[in-house]
Amino acid sequence: DVKVTQSSRYLVKRTGEKVFLECVQDMDHENMFWYRQDPGLGLRLIYFSYDVKMKEKGDIPEGYSVSREKKERFSLILESASTNQTSMYLCASSIMVRQYFGPGTRLTVT
Amino acid sequence: TQLLEQSPQFLSIQEGENLTVYCNSSSVFSSLQWYRQEPGEGPVLLVTVVTGGEVKKLKRLTFQFGDARKDSSLHITAAQPGDTGLYLCAGEGETSGSRLTFGEGTQLTVNP
Repeated sequence: DVKVTQSSRYLVKRTGEKVFLECVQDMDHENMFWYRQDPGLGLRLIYFSYDVKMKEKGDIPEGYSVSREKKERFSLILESASTNQTSMYLCASSIMVRQYFGPGTRLTVT
Repeated sequence: TQLLEQSPQFLSIQEGENLTVYCNSSSVFSSLQWYRQEPGEGPVLLVTVVTGGEVKKLKRLTFQFGDARKDSSLHITAAQPGDTGLYLCAGEGETSGSRLTFGEGTQLTVNP
C-alpha cells in the first residue's frame, strides 16, 4: 500500500514564526501536492511538484514556499505564519491522476 | 481556472434512505474522481470515471459521469451509518496533467 506520512498531526505556532510541514511518500511517485482544506472551500492547491527540485504554484501560493530536494520528500514552508493560515494542510502524491493523501496536519496560528 | 460545484454541502439522513450528491461544472474534464474523507484522515479514492455517460457501481454506491463530461453524481442506496463522511469530487482537466480541481465537498451524516 502507498503510504504518505506527514510530520505532525497537530501544530500550534505563533504569528510570525517560520513553520515547516514535512511530507514523505514511499512509492517513488513523481508528483507531490500540498493543499489546504477549509470548511465549505474544499481542497485548494497551494503548490505542486512533478520532479525533484521542481515546483509549480497552485491556486493559493501567497505566503507559502516549498522545497523538494529528494523525490520522496516535499516540504511546505510558511515563511511568517499568520492567523489566516490556520487550517488543515494535506499532502498528496500521485502516479498518473489518482492521488494518495496523508492524514493531514491541523495547524493553528495564534 | 476550472470550477467544480458540489451540492448539497450538508446532508443529514436516516439509515435506510437514499441520497444523491451532485458535482457540476461548465468545463469539460478528462476524468472525474470521487473521494471519501473520514475525520482525522486524508481523502481516499472511491472511483474514477473516464467516459461520458459511464456508470460505475461500488456496492450501494452508484457513480455517473455526464455525457458531456462536465458533471457527475454519486447515488447511495439504503445509506448506513458507516457511509458518514465528507464526499469530494475532483476533476482532471483536459490540459492540467496530474493536477486535480476539487469540489467543496458534501458532509454526509447517516443517523441510526
